[in-house]
Amino acid sequence: GNSVTQMEGPVTLSEEAFLTINCTYTATGYPSLFWYVQYPGEGLQLLLKATKADDKGSNKGFEATYRKETTSFHLEKGSVQVSDSAVYFCARGGGYQKVTFGTGTKLQVIP
Amino acid sequence: SAVISQKPSRDICQRGTSLTIQCQVDSQVTMMFWYRQQPGQSLTLIATANQGSEATYESGFVIDKFPISRPNLTFSTLTVSNMSPEDSSIYLCSVEESQSPGGANVLTFGAGSRLTVL
Repeated sequence: GNSVTQMEGPVTLSEEAFLTINCTYTATGYPSLFWYVQYPGEGLQLLLKATKADDKGSNKGFEATYRKETTSFHLEKGSVQVSDSAVYFCARGGGYQKVTFGTGTKLQVIP
Repeated sequence: SAVISQKPSRDICQRGTSLTIQCQVDSQVTMMFWYRQQPGQSLTLIATANQGSEATYESGFVIDKFPISRPNLTFSTLTVSNMSPEDSSIYLCSVEESQSPGGANVLTFGAGSRLTVL
């Protein structure tokens, strides 16, 4: 079935460090790809998305590129802040496909 | 995007009791989704609730344990029945929205209902 694999956390970084959270997906069909973020005590929020190969989603300094050749959608940010501390979920699907979530990666940014 | 209100936001429940979670959306939507997020884990889809028909349950979830109502296009409830400590989770209501013509449908979530079963 459809699945999403993302790197296990927790990831601990110092403020202003570079962030990469890896995500790969099963290539069945032509899924849309998403990153959702869950701040402490809150529900999930859409962070960014990409709908087709080579699309780049971006928001709040975060970026991810839909790589069909490597079936990847890695999340990156050049300089993280303490306020970025949250759990990040990679997901695939949408439209006629059910959305499948990865297991989540907890990011902790220390001052 | 849609605004989703869930209540209760959290509750502590006794084993063997049942609790109903309410989900209110500020716009009419065709499908509403109920997810479970167990401690430290990802989201698992419980069921899809369509207005005017029975909910569609995912593998491993049954109507007797998680009855769902969908009386109109803006409201749904999920009941967790005969609770045990294994039911301690965050339960999330969600709707799917089209971002733009031809754009990806994305899920919008409520803030969740955190249940602790003693």
